[in-house]
Amino acid sequence: DSGVTQTPKHLITATGQRVTLRCSPRSGDLSVYWYQQSLDQGLQFLIQYYNGEERAKGNILERFSAQQFPDLHSELNLSSLELGDSALYFCASSPSTGDYTGELFFGEGSRLTVL
Amino acid sequence: GENVGLHLPTLSVQEGDNSIINCAYSNSASDYFIWYKQESGKGPQFIIDIRSNMDKRQGQRVTVLLNKTVKHLSLQIAATQPGDSAVYFCAENPYDKIIFGKGTRLHILP
Repeated sequence: DSGVTQTPKHLITATGQRVTLRCSPRSGDLSVYWYQQSLDQGLQFLIQYYNGEERAKGNILERFSAQQFPDLHSELNLSSLELGDSALYFCASSPSTGDYTGELFFGEGSRLTVL
Repeated sequence: GENVGLHLPTLSVQEGDNSIINCAYSNSASDYFIWYKQESGKGPQFIIDIRSNMDKRQGQRVTVLLNKTVKHLSLQIAATQPGDSAVYFCAENPYDKIIFGKGTRLHILP
């Protein structure tokens, strides 16, 4: 158990809908990362937050947004869903203070299926 | 660009043999590299890391080699066991991000 909690574990929805994925980082970790993993693909970096502020952005679509709340949990919002958005979405946390080194602790992922 | 790639998508190794998983990276700005292991149905788990001021680092049954001249990273697993069966990702940290490669699936032959 990494200490990172993601909910829901599975989600099935229809095209055009909106979903919210939630992540609770390990206790004390200030950094939260979101990654998307499609079938047989690597981990695509979406976005990173540090202590409530956006720190880095990757290949995140405009239909997607995220935030990190004062209690450090984070949410990833996916809207106007398309079939191609079906994937595993991972959250990871890190105690790193911003030098982008050190271990990332990953949750078990949220599997999104868009029908 | 963001291109941490892998030479082979699947690697089959006899149980007990050594495994070598390779990774090419393209960002000269990266100064830290990590290997992660992802078992089926789980999130990636940290295996070993190396900073750019080193060319080799050893852990328990694993060794990471870094060749900055050719931007190449490798993970060596000694005496491969069935429990090593997983997808292995290398990652780097260019420009304030942590970028993962596509992964290599390690298949253990009995």
